[in-house]
Amino acid sequence: QVQLVESGGDVVQPGRSLRLSCAASGFTFSLYGLHWVRQAPGKGLEWVAVISNDGSEKYYADSVKGRFTISRDNSKNTVSLQMNGLRGEDTAVYYCARQGRQWLAFNIWGQGTMVTVSS
Amino acid sequence: DIQMTQSPSSLSASVGDRVTITCQASQDIDKHLNWYQQKPGKAPKLLIYDASNLETGVPSRFSGIRSGTDFTFTISSLQPEDIATYYCQQYNNLPPTFGGGTKVQIK
Repeated sequence: QVQLVESGGDVVQPGRSLRLSCAASGFTFSLYGLHWVRQAPGKGLEWVAVISNDGSEKYYADSVKGRFTISRDNSKNTVSLQMNGLRGEDTAVYYCARQGRQWLAFNIWGQGTMVTVSS
Repeated sequence: DIQMTQSPSSLSASVGDRVTITCQASQDIDKHLNWYQQKPGKAPKLLIYDASNLETGVPSRFSGIRSGTDFTFTISSLQPEDIATYYCQQYNNLPPTFGGGTKVQIK
């Protein structure tokens, strides 16, 4: 079945880096844009970044621009989020999500991976 | 950025009640709005796309409607398994943005 599985979440100190990965299965990966969406503890949903199906287009939320980098490997059906200069406000569950009928919509979500930024 | 104003932030209703949630966009987003359901500790699940279309497999008690920049989500007869937080999301413009969420509880 269609599935997204995130990994890489951890507890890290402010200013450090972390790389999240999302492994996809059950669909033709190279046809879809992929997003990262996060949710701080007890808070709502915040879109983080998107990468187009062929990796040629990448967009970021202002809150992470210049610190986070999204990438994908269509040969391995994976999408990654490199997070540098982590801050306390980056603490959240990070979800990988597949585009829906329009590329800025989400119709398949992973289970999420927790990132905690704390000294 | 387009602001999505969702209300109420929480509600309590009885099983069988009709429940309504609204979302207002700060500018025209055409029909480009989704509704998601998120249960505690779980990922969001798409219920409604393009403002009023039911995602495959979603019960017909869920519905959505658009009137200009105002969007309404309805549960026609609340069931115990509908306890969750519901979010609207616009996908007309970058960045995609979400409403603040509505937590639905059983009275």
